[in-house]
Amino acid sequence: DTGVSQNPRHKITKRGQNVTFRCDPISEHNRLYWYRQTLGQGPEFLTYFQNEAQLEKSRLLSDRFSAERPKGSFSTLEIQRTEQGDSAMYLCASGVRGTEQETQYFGPGTRLLVL
Amino acid sequence: AQSVTQLDSQVPVFEEAPVELRCNYSSSVSVYLFWYVQYPNQGLQLLLKYLSGSTLVKSINGFEAEFNKSQTSFHLRKPSVHISDTAEYFCAVTNTGFQKLVFGTGTRLLVSP
Repeated sequence: DTGVSQNPRHKITKRGQNVTFRCDPISEHNRLYWYRQTLGQGPEFLTYFQNEAQLEKSRLLSDRFSAERPKGSFSTLEIQRTEQGDSAMYLCASGVRGTEQETQYFGPGTRLLVL
Repeated sequence: AQSVTQLDSQVPVFEEAPVELRCNYSSSVSVYLFWYVQYPNQGLQLLLKYLSGSTLVKSINGFEAEFNKSQTSFHLRKPSVHISDTAEYFCAVTNTGFQKLVFGTGTRLLVSP
C-alpha cells in the first residue's frame, strides 16, 4: 500500500494560465475525492468519482474547473484561466465503498499559488 | 445538509497535561464521524472514526473520542499530550451514503514543554 500520491506537490503560476493536477489513489479504491483547503480553513468538498463516473460536483467547482477519471484509476483536476482566488491546497482522497471501509485516505496535497 | 462546529480555533496546553478538543455537528440523517490530524505542510491523516457500535473509539497514539448522539458531539480527548501532538485537528462528518466529508474549521493544538 503506497498511499495516495499527488503531483506536483507545489505549483506557482501566473493569473490566466491553465494548470493540471494529478492524483493516484490507493490501487483497490473505487472512490476518489477532490477537496480544496485555504489557509485557516478546513477542506471543502469539490467533487467525487466512483470508478470513472463523476457522481457529485460542488457549487465551488466553477466552469473553469474540470475533473476526470478516465479509466477509474488516476484522476486529473484542471483549472483554466487561473485567478488569484484559486490559490489553495488541493487535496485528493480515495476510499472504498463498504461498511467498515468507509474511510477516506488523503494524499499530501498540491499547493497552488497564483500570482 | 450537514455542518461541523469546532469552537476552539487554538488550544494551548503544557506537555503531559490532558486536553479536549470540541466538535459538534448538525445533521438531519444518521452520520459517520471522523477526526483527522494535519501536521505542517502535510496532508490529512485519519486519527479515529465512528461508524457504528461502541460510542467510544480510540486511536493507537492515545487519543479517544466519544460519539454523543443526544448532544450531537464527538469530542476528542487525550489524558497526557506530547510535544509531537502539536498539529491541526479537524473533525468531519458524512452521511451513511458516504458521498463527501464536511469538515470543521480545525483546532490548532499547541503543546509547550
